[in-house]
Amino acid sequence: DVKVTQSSRYLVKRTGEKVFLECVQDMDHENMFWYRQDPGLGLRLIYFSYDVKMKEKGDIPEGYSVSREKKERFSLILESASTNQTSMYLCASSFAYEQYFGPGTRLTVT
Amino acid sequence: ELKVEQNPLFLSMQEGKNYTIYCNYSTTSDRLYWYRQDPGKSLESLFVLLSNGAVKQEGRLMASLDTKARLSTLHITAAVHDLSATYFCAVEWSGNTGKLIFGQGTTLQVKP
Repeated sequence: DVKVTQSSRYLVKRTGEKVFLECVQDMDHENMFWYRQDPGLGLRLIYFSYDVKMKEKGDIPEGYSVSREKKERFSLILESASTNQTSMYLCASSFAYEQYFGPGTRLTVT
Repeated sequence: ELKVEQNPLFLSMQEGKNYTIYCNYSTTSDRLYWYRQDPGKSLESLFVLLSNGAVKQEGRLMASLDTKARLSTLHITAAVHDLSATYFCAVEWSGNTGKLIFGQGTTLQVKP
């Protein structure tokens, strides 16, 4: 079974803090993705990565950056958290046409 | 720009009834996905539709794809309470990259 894990299920941070969300997959997938999910908007792609050190912007990259130093790990970074980044963050990895999602991190920025 | 729209966004139905969720998308794509999400949980893959005319069935759910009409449907037959969840369709953004554009989601509530 493919496993995608995320470092935290719930996170509360203050405005202006630097926030790291970690995602690890155990199936040697090349493609990894970060989405945010907001009610009524579905999931929106923030960043994705085809390979180590490769990254591309998705639909809503503003305010975020990513890091992929190892194939199995894809990190999402909020350089200076703001209240409008309060959301559910979902990581995914994919192989062929199957995409596998992690459990999600619910981030609250106060 | 690829846009994906689902309707309805909310559906309340009685057990035993049939209903269809619609997913329209704005530009050509050959892969369409359906996912299920339970409250507080992640996304569970239901179907991947890879070609025009594709039809897949699992239990009381059946999904179909018409690439010419840019339309996919998720048909629910004789709904049961366990099907209560939010259903998302998603379309691959560009060839073979895994980049998906999601619809807004349809929240299904099945009442006894």
